[in-house]
Amino acid sequence: AQSVSQHNHHVILSEAASLELGCNYSYGGTVNLFWYVQYPGQHLQLLLKYFSGDPLVKGIKGFEAEFIKSKFSFNLRKPSVQWSDTAEYFCAVRSNDYKLSFGAGTTVTVRA
Amino acid sequence: DSGVTQTPKHLITATGQRVTLRCSPRSGDLSVYWYQQSLDQGLQFLIQYYNGEERAKGNILERFSAQQFPDLHSELNLSSLELGDSALYFCASSQGVGELFFGEGSRLTVL
Repeated sequence: AQSVSQHNHHVILSEAASLELGCNYSYGGTVNLFWYVQYPGQHLQLLLKYFSGDPLVKGIKGFEAEFIKSKFSFNLRKPSVQWSDTAEYFCAVRSNDYKLSFGAGTTVTVRA
Repeated sequence: DSGVTQTPKHLITATGQRVTLRCSPRSGDLSVYWYQQSLDQGLQFLIQYYNGEERAKGNILERFSAQQFPDLHSELNLSSLELGDSALYFCASSQGVGELFFGEGSRLTVL
């Protein structure tokens, strides 16, 4: 069974700092990779996705992620965070069995 | 607005009771997914339907069941409720293997 690991449970940083959230998965076959964000009190929204092609994908709100197949990783980055980026971030992986499995999530708190 | 509609938004009930959560997917989406989100378990995949047929099953308890109807809406039935079933239940829909669009969730409180 596939699993998704997010390295950090809670990240606290100041505005304008850079953000990187780690995500690793365990599945050897073809995967589709996603990062979702959940703002306080809201539903999950897609930040970006990777299906194939350029392993560096750009998403909304200045986020990007890099797929490194050899490391089974799909880390999320943002060069300069804003207070409004305070949210919970979920990495998700879909394999051939159609199930979309989520990591435990990383809570990001941005201090003004 | 994701286009996925879930009802009710909030539900408070007692242990041992049964509830039904309803989900209407985005127009044109054939797949419906159910997830349970709780503080201690995170976001857990329960079950997926595609065009009325069960496609994938996750950590869904035997006390829980779901179905997708011909008009593609889906219902999640939770019975013999326990305190630990209190959680946010999300429905999501997708076209095939594309991205999932999530509803706003149904918050269930079991007292």
